[in-house]
Amino acid sequence: DGGITQSPKYLFRKEGQNVTLSCEQNLNHDAMYWYRQDPGQGLRLIYYSQIVNDFQKGDIAEGYSVSREKKESFPLTVTSAQKNPTAFYLCASSISTSGGPTDTQYFGPGTRLTVL
Amino acid sequence: GQQLNQSPQSMFIQEGEDVSMNCTSSSIFNTWLWYKQDPGEGPVLLIALYKAGELTSNGRLTAQFGITRKDSFLNISASIPSDVGIYFCAGPYAYSGAGSYQLTFGKGTKLSVIP
Repeated sequence: DGGITQSPKYLFRKEGQNVTLSCEQNLNHDAMYWYRQDPGQGLRLIYYSQIVNDFQKGDIAEGYSVSREKKESFPLTVTSAQKNPTAFYLCASSISTSGGPTDTQYFGPGTRLTVL
Repeated sequence: GQQLNQSPQSMFIQEGEDVSMNCTSSSIFNTWLWYKQDPGEGPVLLIALYKAGELTSNGRLTAQFGITRKDSFLNISASIPSDVGIYFCAGPYAYSGAGSYQLTFGKGTKLSVIP
């Protein structure tokens, strides 16, 4: 089955620790994205990558870092610099970012991060 | 980023009733997407619209791409308890300074169905 997987589903960390969230896709999509969702809020873009070995900051990149060494994988690290890291994190992918139908994004199941 | 205004913010309806929600923008969009998010899960694509005036159905769901290209509507007929969730509209816009398009999302319509 083609799709996007995120792991783990739930993650608990102590304040001050870095934590890495996994995102893998087997859809052969070039573009991948990370979003943050807070209760009652919409989706806010953290980082995105249009192609391997390239990534761009989104609207709320501070305190986060990413890498894109493989087409299938786009891990997100929540660093200790992120002041309010507890949230629901969503990964997505699309064929492209060209402004047309191939921009349709498909989402993973999400990771809920709780920092204690 | 670009703003999409989605309404209503929440709805409480009786099982069997029809539901309507809409999304508007001050700018033109070439694509409108409708997603549903179940609690604790990622959004799932329901319907994608690619042409002004297009009317597309997916089971009990029907969505329309407004003729002005600045709005879209989603209707759910004969609601059932599993329709509960948050419905998001989204559309691609030119992301400033990066030479790419990103999706902007409405804040969602939270649907509750009373059995």
